[in-house]
Amino acid sequence: EAQVTQNPRYLITVTGKKLTVTCSQNMNHEYMSWYRQDPGLGLRQIYYSMNVEVTDKGDVPEGYKVSRKEKRNFPLILESPSPNQTSLYFCASSYFLGARTEAFFGQGTRLTVV
Amino acid sequence: TQLLEQSPQFLSIQEGENLTVYCNSSSVFSSLQWYRQEPGEGPVLLVTVVTGGEVKKLKRLTFQFGDARKDSSLHITAAQPGDTGLYLCAGAEGNKLVFGAGTILRVKS
Repeated sequence: EAQVTQNPRYLITVTGKKLTVTCSQNMNHEYMSWYRQDPGLGLRQIYYSMNVEVTDKGDVPEGYKVSRKEKRNFPLILESPSPNQTSLYFCASSYFLGARTEAFFGQGTRLTVV
Repeated sequence: TQLLEQSPQFLSIQEGENLTVYCNSSSVFSSLQWYRQEPGEGPVLLVTVVTGGEVKKLKRLTFQFGDARKDSSLHITAAQPGDTGLYLCAGAEGNKLVFGAGTILRVKS
């Protein structure tokens, strides 16, 4: 089954404790991205990757890091989480970038930073 | 960043009613997409509109792309409780996919 898998689904952590949210896709997609979703603000892109070892900032990259060592995986790293990073996070992938191609989303990771 | 504005933000209607959701921008998009998101899930693509003036139908859902390719609408006929969810429009801007804030639809039985 074609899918994007995120882990964990839920995470509560304390300020400053490094964490990683994993994302894996099994569709051989070139393009992967991370979004955060906040009430009234919609989905805002954090980082994206056009291919292996190629990553770039989205609209809200501050406080986040990513890596793309393999085509299928695109982890999101919070080196020192803060309460304003409490949000619902989604990983997405598509064959390439563009509104003509379907973006497949993971089920989301609800992160709470206290 | 091109802004995609959706209206209304919230919509609560009775089963069987019709409704229209709007997605507007001051900028031109080469194409726009509509996604639907259910609670606890990620967004799922409903349709992509490409040509100005294009109309696409998906059962009881009708999607239209404005002639100037700056706006789009989603019309649902005879809404059902299963239509409940968050509806998002999205457009490509450079290397990024930009989303509107969404319309939360609740259909009561």
